[in-house]
Amino acid sequence: GAGVSQTPSNKVTEKGKYVELRCDPISGHTALYWYRQSLGQGPEFLIYFQGTGAADDSGLPNDRFFAVRPEGSVSTLKIQRTERGDSAVYLCASSPSGGSNTGELFFGEGSRLTVL
Amino acid sequence: RKEVEQDPGPFNVPEGATVAFNCTYSNSASQSFFWYRQDCRKEPKLLMSVYSSGNEDGRFTAQLNRASQYISLLIRDSKLSDSATYLCVVNPRQGGKLIFGQGTELSVKP
Repeated sequence: GAGVSQTPSNKVTEKGKYVELRCDPISGHTALYWYRQSLGQGPEFLIYFQGTGAADDSGLPNDRFFAVRPEGSVSTLKIQRTERGDSAVYLCASSPSGGSNTGELFFGEGSRLTVL
Repeated sequence: RKEVEQDPGPFNVPEGATVAFNCTYSNSASQSFFWYRQDCRKEPKLLMSVYSSGNEDGRFTAQLNRASQYISLLIRDSKLSDSATYLCVVNPRQGGKLIFGQGTELSVKP
């Protein structure tokens, strides 16, 4: 497909477990973003990659959260020792150029994480 | 104080009505501004950019007041298909992350 692909679409885990969420951006898009969205809230910024490097990780809530993009394409968001408060939809987005100059981020359908 | 604030609504309006959404942002140095639309259980999608001079796209008009740090979206002649959540979005500096507001829910009724 031509859009941003996220897997898994749904993940149910137990408190304390480790979770990985994957994002496959639109081919050729250099910028990749992770957001999370709770019910009734707007997307909350987590981290932004320009190529392989994290250009801004100021939104990561604590050191349990980590993201990588080793080859400048696919990215993985990793959450250690999950807590119930981590339950949310994790959205990945990509854009063609550095940053969000045009304002257009192309979002995936999200990965819904439920921590029991 | 949140960086981007919106009235969460919901706004319930009849078809054909005109409805306006407001948004304020806290960072006076913010560079660019947008409205996104998010349908229920779907991903957000760009609706339109917001320019200082104001801009229009069909039934949608967006305006920016930098002095007041205020953004608005006006929808004329509402359609049932306009029912969605409208997200006010700010880019604090050129490039980089976008900051989303809470979203304002619109429900257009027949």
